[in-house]
Amino acid sequence: DVKVTQSSRYLVKRTGEKVFLECVQDMDHENMFWYRQDPGLGLRLIYFSYDVKMKEKGDIPEGYSVSREKKERFSLILESASTNQTSMYLCASSPWRSYSNQPQHFGDGTRLSIL
Amino acid sequence: GIQVEQSPPDLILQEGANSTLRCNFSDSVNNLQWFHQNPWGQLINLFYIPSGTKQNGRLSATTVATERYSLLYISSSQTTDSGVYFCAVNHGGSQGNLIFGKGTKLSVKP
Repeated sequence: DVKVTQSSRYLVKRTGEKVFLECVQDMDHENMFWYRQDPGLGLRLIYFSYDVKMKEKGDIPEGYSVSREKKERFSLILESASTNQTSMYLCASSPWRSYSNQPQHFGDGTRLSIL
Repeated sequence: GIQVEQSPPDLILQEGANSTLRCNFSDSVNNLQWFHQNPWGQLINLFYIPSGTKQNGRLSATTVATERYSLLYISSSQTTDSGVYFCAVNHGGSQGNLIFGKGTKLSVKP
């Protein structure tokens, strides 16, 4: 069974802090994704990666960066946290095989509050 | 880009009732998934169903790709079925990400 693990379920940080959200998957998947979920806006893609050290911007990358140094780990970085980044963050992974037609598996999410 | 519309937006059921949730999409897809988000925010895979019919216990799903819709059936609903049900699609775009509908919020009353 696929396991996607996010490092924290709840996180509280202060404005201006550098924040790291970690995601690890155990199925040797090539693709990994970061989404954020907001009421009324649904889930939106921030960044994704299809290989180690590779990254692509999603729909809302501003204020975020990512790191993928190892295949199993994909980190989302808030360079200088702001209150409008308070949200639910969800990580997902999927295998590459013409990558758009494989099921994605999600972690449990991190509820991040920026004060 | 592709549009995903789910209906109804809200649904209240008595325990034991059956229901059908609908997902319409505006373009051809090669990935369609149904998810259940529980009250704790966890997004649970229900079905990967770009076409055809699948069943898993009290849940089943059908996707008619040529007519651009998918249906999720819940039979004999239980209070633990409460939460938000999302349909998400990918139509082969370069990003490979899923486009989510806004969800159907289901409340099952005892």
